[in-house]
Amino acid sequence: NAGVTQTPKFRILKIGQSMTLQCAQDMNHNYMYWYRQDPGMGLKLIYYSVGAGITDKGEVPNGYNVSRSTTEDFPLRLELAAPSQTSVYFCASRPGLQRENNEQFFGPGTRLTVL
Amino acid sequence: QKEVEQDPGPLSVPEGAIVSLNCTYSNSAFQYFMWYRQYSRKGPELLMYTYSSGNKEDGRFTAQVDKSSKYISLFIRDSQPSDSATYLCAMSLLSNDYKLSFGAGTTVTVRA
Repeated sequence: NAGVTQTPKFRILKIGQSMTLQCAQDMNHNYMYWYRQDPGMGLKLIYYSVGAGITDKGEVPNGYNVSRSTTEDFPLRLELAAPSQTSVYFCASRPGLQRENNEQFFGPGTRLTVL
Repeated sequence: QKEVEQDPGPLSVPEGAIVSLNCTYSNSAFQYFMWYRQYSRKGPELLMYTYSSGNKEDGRFTAQVDKSSKYISLFIRDSQPSDSATYLCAMSLLSNDYKLSFGAGTTVTVRA
């Protein structure tokens, strides 16, 4: 299993450009999450999905959109990039069943700079 | 007030020292408590977890949860240079779609 994969690893965008951050998992997990990580701020939840066709907002959803057409893929869309969206983006997934450790499995991250 | 507070450090210790990390939280309904380890330019990985109050030991690592004080701790004994990483505390409710609330992360450097 590849686990959670993210592409691209790095990207530089100009203000106002748009892009899609890709996330895929091959573990047949129901739940998927998108976080952003800024220095000294921990991880903030952007959007999440409990299954194909179902998405919901997290703590910091403004400026982002998501879709979940399959169990495996959960892309994150930035429509009008702004410097405030410069961050490291992590995708994570977890199985649907209740588990004692509530572990989420993280991808390697996408480092995005908006200039 | 942030939901989860964690001192970002950084923390620098000599090899073999005990590393002590902690977080405080405001939501008394949290039931799952976790510590993730994140190496530089990598994604976080689950290191320890505790359900509700109590202590848990795994090799050189000990996690403690004190729900009455809303305080959790992670201790690393006999620290090694390979323990140099950022340690993030995380916690969640029993349900609520298993969403995690993270602390800011503490960066630890173990000097050889």
